[in-house]
Amino acid sequence: SQQGEEDPQALSIQEGENATMNCSYKTSINNLQWYRQNSGRGLVHLILIRSNEREKHSGRLRVTLDTSKKSSSLLITASRAADTASYFCATDDEGSSSNTGKLIFGQGTTLQVKP
Amino acid sequence: KAGVTQTPRYLIKTRGQQVTLSCSPISGHRSVSWYQQTPGQGLQFLFEYFSETQRNKGNFPGRFSGRQFSNSRSEMNVSTLELGDSALYLCASSPLATSYEQYFGPGTRLTVT
Repeated sequence: SQQGEEDPQALSIQEGENATMNCSYKTSINNLQWYRQNSGRGLVHLILIRSNEREKHSGRLRVTLDTSKKSSSLLITASRAADTASYFCATDDEGSSSNTGKLIFGQGTTLQVKP
Repeated sequence: KAGVTQTPRYLIKTRGQQVTLSCSPISGHRSVSWYQQTPGQGLQFLFEYFSETQRNKGNFPGRFSGRQFSNSRSEMNVSTLELGDSALYLCASSPLATSYEQYFGPGTRLTVT
């Protein structure tokens, strides 16, 4: 079952613009992660934010987490054509400790960055 | 270090047949998880193995099974294939059995005709 929903489902922007994707989830979590997937390939881990963190940065990526609203956002600044991919949020299993490798993924946002 | 490898990368099978997919985790990683990805259902957790023990299983029928060997390599098997089993099957490994960062392989694209 899917933990949450991502919004928007698809996003098209010009190179240099910022892209914001949102993720909502349903249960309490230990952490939330964002992954990128290039067309039909494996997922690449982007960033992890723990439940006691509110914001995290990694290069051009900025992730926020609001546990009271059960939501997270991923901001990609100064986007490039190479950022074209699908982006997924993933949370750990409901009610579990962090001692499990099971991730529950959102439906993903497809980002197209036009050169 | 070499990344997660999955074999084969592409596979075409006929309904009713069975299939075995293989995953070699990153050296030193003891946890292997499997996911099924379809356009309709998205990414769904199949099962997770750690030190040859299945720790978690997703909501899939018994036709889906897996195992992990002492060298951490893992296989998953699907018996009596159905058209709906057509999907990208992804394997992920991590050093520990935690929900932290996982490293994904390129996937096996299974087509059932």
